[in-house]
Amino acid sequence: AQSVAQPEDQVNVAEGNPLTVKCTYSVSGNPYLFWYVQYPNRGLQFLLKYITGDNLVKGSYGFEAEFNKSQTSFHLKKPSALVSDSALYFCAVRDRSSGSARQLTFGSGTQLTVLP
Amino acid sequence: DGGITQSPKYLFRKEGQNVTLSCEQNLNHDAMYWYRQDPGQGLRLIYYSQIVNDFQKGDIAEGYSVSREKKESFPLTVTSAQKNPTAFYLCASGQGAETQYFGPGTRLLVL
Repeated sequence: AQSVAQPEDQVNVAEGNPLTVKCTYSVSGNPYLFWYVQYPNRGLQFLLKYITGDNLVKGSYGFEAEFNKSQTSFHLKKPSALVSDSALYFCAVRDRSSGSARQLTFGSGTQLTVLP
Repeated sequence: DGGITQSPKYLFRKEGQNVTLSCEQNLNHDAMYWYRQDPGQGLRLIYYSQIVNDFQKGDIAEGYSVSREKKESFPLTVTSAQKNPTAFYLCASGQGAETQYFGPGTRLLVL
């Protein structure tokens, strides 16, 4: 079985400050990890993914995420937040050993608000 | 939202009525997915299809049906058996174990 936890429903940060959105996961094998962003009444937009290789992954709009195997975490970060980053963020995981295309599990989402 | 389109953007269902949500992709992806999103919850998988003429139930398939007659299309029917259909429905497509890409969504409301 695989699961994802986003422990914070809401994260508030001041514009220009660094931001972190937390994600921890559980899989029986090795993970594929993803971050998506959703703006109101829109679909999910892909931000970045970890497949293999460097633990620090860089993605769209200045976001990055660090894969930490020992802590089973994949936290999303950005050095300087913008008001336009305010949105709902989802972490997702797939067990790499799974042979089925369906096995993508999403967290419950974290609402990020960047205050001007 | 890329090469995935969903229609309509808003859909109203009367009690006892079946309604169909459209999803089309031009990304040449083999796999397609339907998710349901409720407020404060993550995405829950309704159905998925890995190849034309084949599909599997997800975690919450009861009250829904799908077809996959063409690679580009994966329509979802919300039947009268679905007693709580009000939600935001998201279609996605992907290739193998790679990234899933999402459409803009359809919001279903009950009259």
